[in-house]
Amino acid sequence: AQSVTQLGSHVSVSEGALVLLRCNYSSSVPPYLFWYVQYPNQGLQLLLKYTTGATLVKGINGFEAEFKKSETSFHLTKPSAHMSDAAEYFCAVSEGQGGFKTIFGAGTRLFVKA
Amino acid sequence: DAGITQSPRHKVTETGTPVTLRCHQTENHRYMYWYRQDPGHGLRLIHYSYGVKDTDKGEVSDGYSVSRSKTEDFLLTLESATSSQTSVYFCAISEKAGTGANVLTFGAGSRLTVL
Repeated sequence: AQSVTQLGSHVSVSEGALVLLRCNYSSSVPPYLFWYVQYPNQGLQLLLKYTTGATLVKGINGFEAEFKKSETSFHLTKPSAHMSDAAEYFCAVSEGQGGFKTIFGAGTRLFVKA
Repeated sequence: DAGITQSPRHKVTETGTPVTLRCHQTENHRYMYWYRQDPGHGLRLIHYSYGVKDTDKGEVSDGYSVSRSKTEDFLLTLESATSSQTSVYFCAISEKAGTGANVLTFGAGSRLTVL
């Protein structure tokens, strides 16, 4: 069975500061990993994904995440927060090749202070 | 939300009444999913479909049923709504080909309140 744990239900940063959202996963098979973002009153949209190959993946809006197999982690970072980054972020995992079910973490709400 | 429409977007109903939520896609994607979103729980998979008339249960399927008679439509039914089913329901679609990642495209959500 797969699972995702996001550390911290709320994270608050100042504008211009580093954003770090933590995600750990559990999977019995090589996972595919995702970060999705949800803006208020909207559905989720894909931020970035890891499948195979390069462990550092870049996404939209300056976000990136690094897959660390030894730590079973897939933390999301952005060097400099912008007010428009305020949203809820979800880490998700699916089984790799052949997998079509996606399991989500509980989410982390990011607040950006001016 | 291009290509995926959920209806109704908002519904208030009473305990014990049946409710059907509809998800309609124009992308011709094979896979369709119903998730519910609740504070502190993120998104939890209710049911999913991997083709017409092919469906299976997710993590939280009790009290829910689904049907998919056409590629484009995936219906979620609450046979007898309970207050614990008050939630925001999201439909998602994907077209996973070969070994590619299963990227989900989400609808705008349906907010259901059961009184």
